[in-house]
Amino acid sequence: QKEVEQNSGPLSVPEGAIASLNCTYSDRVSQSFFWYRQYSGKSPELIMSIYSNGDKEDGRFTAQLNKASQYVSLLIRDSQPSDSATYLCAVISGSARQLTFGSGTQLTVLP
Amino acid sequence: KAGVTQTPRYLIKTRGQQVTLSCSPISGHRSVSWYQQTPGQGLQFLFEYFSETQRNKGNFPGRFSGRQFSNSRSEMNVSTLELGDSALYLCASSTTPGLAGGGAGELFFGEGSRLTVL
Repeated sequence: QKEVEQNSGPLSVPEGAIASLNCTYSDRVSQSFFWYRQYSGKSPELIMSIYSNGDKEDGRFTAQLNKASQYVSLLIRDSQPSDSATYLCAVISGSARQLTFGSGTQLTVLP
Repeated sequence: KAGVTQTPRYLIKTRGQQVTLSCSPISGHRSVSWYQQTPGQGLQFLFEYFSETQRNKGNFPGRFSGRQFSNSRSEMNVSTLELGDSALYLCASSTTPGLAGGGAGELFFGEGSRLTVL
């Protein structure tokens, strides 16, 4: 079992819709969770971090964390074509103190 | 404020050679970490440096090594290159004290060095 798993996609949504990206992790003691966005040919950039159960909103982005279910998600409201990218879930795994990335979900927002 | 700078951006080597990649972190960032990105394995952690000390190391063979200088600039070296080392090597900097020191995972990545091994 991979430490951090994401639906590889690709995921396509129409412009203006809500895009939902999901991630599960295996290390129950993980405390810190991140979403990075990577445009094709570019490096990852941090878009959201979440540390506590519940929702965290930042503009059109909402991160959701459920530690009991070992599940973290990212919702993108009013999706725009400029949101088309690969979204990487990352987790600081327990005592190893390493940032472990999922394989990413490729999102395409159709105009 | 300048971002993370990596050099060279592209390079081609042959099997058996060695390569050195350089990374200059964001000014004021003292923690530097390195990642390898390939289509098959995704982003994998190589190592993290803080104050010239390796704080953490991923699951890579000893051919992969790195160091950090007093000005926080970092280099990584791969010796005896293999075809499978072809990848995008990403450097990221973060505010002190870095992940190994209990810091947050808010990393700022450079544009990467794309290595092709023939």
